[in-house]
Amino acid sequence: LAKTTQPISMDSYEGQEVNITCSHNNIATNDYITWYQQFPSQGPRFIIQGYKTKVTNEVASLFIPADRKSSTLSLPRVSLSDTAVYYCLVDNNNDMRFGAGTRLTVKP
Amino acid sequence: SQTIHQWPATLVQPVGSPLSLECTVEGTSNPNLYWYRQAAGRGLQLLFYSVGIGQISSEVPQNLSASRPQDRQFILSSKKLLLSDSGFYLCAWNRAGTAARKTQYFGPGTRLLVL
Repeated sequence: LAKTTQPISMDSYEGQEVNITCSHNNIATNDYITWYQQFPSQGPRFIIQGYKTKVTNEVASLFIPADRKSSTLSLPRVSLSDTAVYYCLVDNNNDMRFGAGTRLTVKP
Repeated sequence: SQTIHQWPATLVQPVGSPLSLECTVEGTSNPNLYWYRQAAGRGLQLLFYSVGIGQISSEVPQNLSASRPQDRQFILSSKKLLLSDSGFYLCAWNRAGTAARKTQYFGPGTRLLVL
């Protein structure tokens, strides 16, 4: 069973803010929420991780509501180079399973 | 700093031939190691993971196998490749110990084409 659910794809334009939401209804107490970015022909790379409320770093923000059953990755002012697949991962075990991800396309 | 290597970068093999992909990690000890496969335009499928030498967990029954002969070496093998084995194979590692807050670090990948 998939532990996370994300939209398959999203389109945006340069300069806009993009919010990608991930549902994880069965998140466990010890689970953290981690987002990865993958460009074609490359392995995914870490973007941001959080447990609750809000986390911000130099590339993104992560919003997690009190019930932790979902999370939203926010990318401010996207550029063409942000076109990629974004994965939400919720796992506190050693079997790190990724979902299908969200394919974000940024248009000029 | 830690680095992860995979080779070869690309591989074209005929159906029925054997396969051996290698992954090594430097700069850390006792990592958890992972093999993923990604078909064109699809998400990541976890194939195997290992929490220690000789310890392999298989996620999907198939004609592939994995071995971990050394602490920082992870090998993906097949005795006879199928057309459906084509894809992008990614090796990854994370730190041993407490599962929470782990970050996956991925290698550059091997693109396999079975003809």
